Amino acid sequence: GAVVSQHPSWVICKSGTSVKIECRSLDFQATTMFWYRQFPKQSLMLMATSNEGSKATYEQGVEKDKFLINHASLTLSTLTVTSAHPEDSSFYICSARGWTEGGGTDTQYFGPGTRLTVL
Amino acid sequence: AQSVAQPEDQVNVAEGNPLTVKCTYSVSGNPYLFWYVQYPNRGLQFLLKYITGDNLVKGSYGFEAEFNKSQTSFHLKKPSALVSDSALYFCAGTSGTYKYIFGTGTRLKVLA
Repeated sequence: GAVVSQHPSWVICKSGTSVKIECRSLDFQATTMFWYRQFPKQSLMLMATSNEGSKATYEQGVEKDKFLINHASLTLSTLTVTSAHPEDSSFYICSARGWTEGGGTDTQYFGPGTRLTVL
Repeated sequence: AQSVAQPEDQVNVAEGNPLTVKCTYSVSGNPYLFWYVQYPNRGLQFLLKYITGDNLVKGSYGFEAEFNKSQTSFHLKKPSALVSDSALYFCAGTSGTYKYIFGTGTRLKVLA
């Protein structure tokens, strides 16, 4: 139980294009989803928190017009990197929180991540 | 400011020996503490958590962690390490706001 999927697992795009990453909770309803960015050999940096049906809350320093987050349903959140540039290349990981039998409501379950490379 | 610290960048242990990965926290109120494991190019897998109750928490794959309030620690342990345990381990904490504070990660290397 408590499986979170991400799609695509990797993507290569040209500079200036937009890329959409999907995050789905497969067997539970995610009232809250989180988007993280991870640089090589570093910890996770929280980018934003989104609650279903509400606007995302962005962390300080994260451009909300560049990283568009939509959480339209209890099982799906999307992150769109708009006008991507090489410095946006990174490993993006989503997580979902919602009631699960094993984790209650306190635990975040993470997707497998999306490796974005912008040329 | 709230923080979670993992003082060791890397821990090496021989297969079959006990392992410990250290974590200390500074979280306001009653802390919620978690351990996750990350394999290369993968997301984080949940291992165990402490919310309340017994200080010794048992989790997946034979791992356990001990919550020590006086030392503000939540060290991850396993009695007998496997080569397949080699991975990156993250400790995370929160005061119940659901926004995690992550440690910097500890790379565990189990030597055959």
